[in-house]
This record gives sequence, C-alpha cells and structure tokens, in this order.
Amino acid sequence: DGGITQSPKYLFRKEGQNVTLSCEQNLNHDAMYWYRQDPGQGLRLIYYSQIVNDFQKGDIAEGYSVSREKKESFPLTVTSAQKNPTAFYLCASSMTSGQYNEQFFGPGTRLTVL
Amino acid sequence: AQSVAQPEDQVNVAEGNPLTVKCTYSVSGNPYLFWYVQYPNRGLQFLLKYITGDNLVKGSYGFEAEFNKSQTSFHLKKPSALVSDSALYFCAVHNQAGTALIFGKGTTLSVSS
Repeated sequence: DGGITQSPKYLFRKEGQNVTLSCEQNLNHDAMYWYRQDPGQGLRLIYYSQIVNDFQKGDIAEGYSVSREKKESFPLTVTSAQKNPTAFYLCASSMTSGQYNEQFFGPGTRLTVL
Repeated sequence: AQSVAQPEDQVNVAEGNPLTVKCTYSVSGNPYLFWYVQYPNRGLQFLLKYITGDNLVKGSYGFEAEFNKSQTSFHLKKPSALVSDSALYFCAVHNQAGTALIFGKGTTLSVSS
C-alpha cells in the first residue's frame, strides 16, 4: 500500500455522530482522492483534490466534507447527514491529476454505523 | 461519458491454467485504461495501464492486458494462474477531465489448486 496511510483501520460510529477518517501520503503527490466501496458496486468517488487548499466534489459528495491544508494530508469527515455511511473507504493519491497517471491506494478504513 | 464494464462477477480457473478477466470500455476520445487488484480488506494495488502504443501491456506479477480498439476491450490475462492470484480485480478508465478514475464493479477471480 506504499506510502499512503489511513487510520483507523476500523471505525464504529453511532447514528448522529460525525467522524473523521485520516489519510496521509509521503509520496509528494499533488492529487488526492477519496472513494467509497460497497459490495458489488465498485468504487465511487466522493471528493478529490488536485492541489493544496483546493478540492472538488465527486459523484457522491453529499454528507461528506474534506479539507486539504497540507500536501500530505486529506482527511474525510463523514457527517450525520450521510444517510448510509457503513462502507469501506479508500484514500488514493497520484503524482498529478491527469489521464496518464495511476493512483496509489491506502489500506482503507471500514466504517460501521451502530 | 466514460465507462467500463466487467461482464463477469466471478471467474474460476484451475492453478496452472491461463486466465482472462474481461473488461470493455466506452470513452470519448483516447482511452486511458487501468487494472487494479484488491485482496480482502486491503487497498487496491496497481497492475498495469494502457496509455498509447503497443496493444499488449505487461504489468506486475506476470499479468498482461490486451487492448483491442475495434472491440473496445482491455482484457487482463496471465498464462499460468496461481492460487495466490485469487482476489478482486477492477478495470478503470480516467474521466474526460483526467481528474478521477471510473471503476468497473469488479470481478472475483478464484484459482483452485
């Protein structure tokens, strides 16, 4: 999972709580991404950031928020507005955004709402 | 809009036999295609990509993929499967803006000994 760390590995949340998932990379990559994985649905993009202090919504941004204050960090907050947050969350980074570049993924955080 | 499809939810092969995991794509413009593998409860690992040039792309762990423009396919192949190849495989294509990957739903590969 080279150079990208996510914490915690498992996270349990009560309904109505906000939780923040950590993502850190030491690859000196400009672009970072958050995906959500549900069984049988592949990965869906939540947010992405091409550069520090800038980020854009992906396909399923409702109920989530992000920040990008440092190049190496891209935390994701799952808010109480997210109707069905139980899922596997994957953070990724790439050298730059752009069609040639592969993305490198962290090990993931499994979030369960109790 | 860019998209990829993986028509098989599961592929079963015997160890030592060749394997193929299928992917078809639909894009506007040039296709930039990727294959990733995921082991249980882990992140995705990059296997290979097609950007341009040779239609046969070689990647990690002995995998290769064949790009076929006329059939709009990018199938993943390996000449001799290993039990350790058992995992979930994703095909992906970049969106038109190049800002994110669009993934297929994944194909579970099961290699029996």
